[in-house]
Amino acid sequence: GAGVSQSPSNKVTEKGKDVELRCDPISGHTALYWYRQSLGQGLEFLIYFQGNSAPDKSGLPSDRFSAERTGGSVSTLTIQRTQQEDSAVYLCASSLASGGDTDTQYFGPGTRLTVL
Amino acid sequence: GEDVEQSLFLSVREGDSSVINCTYTDSSSTYLYWYKQEPGAGLQLLTYIFSNMDMKQDQRLTVLLNKKDKHLSLRIADTQTGDSAIYFCAENGSGNTGKLIFGQGTTLQVKP
Repeated sequence: GAGVSQSPSNKVTEKGKDVELRCDPISGHTALYWYRQSLGQGLEFLIYFQGNSAPDKSGLPSDRFSAERTGGSVSTLTIQRTQQEDSAVYLCASSLASGGDTDTQYFGPGTRLTVL
Repeated sequence: GEDVEQSLFLSVREGDSSVINCTYTDSSSTYLYWYKQEPGAGLQLLTYIFSNMDMKQDQRLTVLLNKKDKHLSLRIADTQTGDSAIYFCAENGSGNTGKLIFGQGTTLQVKP
């Protein structure tokens, strides 16, 4: 079946502009995660959605970052007033549920964001 | 706190076995994972192990878990050039937080 998809694959933007990154999870997966992969920082957790529960936003680095998940499926990560330090690969993952081996996370190909 | 450590680089000859090591700090992790990342690609799940297991074998891959020492290893038998990639170990930490804690990744170079 189809895996996790993300768009765009690459995004180049100017400092100060807003960007939106999209994630389509695997059909039927109730949990969705965003991570950031940057040089020197490795893979960092950003935010986690599980069903209809309030999202865990504990990894968002600043209030310029927000995410939503509409209809329990597609998610959008928004970065406002982008800064050069936001340049990274943004990875989305989904899992069937949360708990036990059903929370095994499957990753999308990522969106490479470059802020000039 | 939660922390996962890996060596940064490993070089082997084609046909040899590769062993990638990982240590973690959160003893309450229930699952530990190995992911593979090829250049320009996302993370591909290779295998995972439940914390009450010592070993798991899947074709050329063998995972060993020493829970007492909080040490995880991934052995790749008969390493091929196509195995060249970055390998990440990850733990799911304590509680049902959902997030994975990743090591910094081990770059595996396979020489022909």
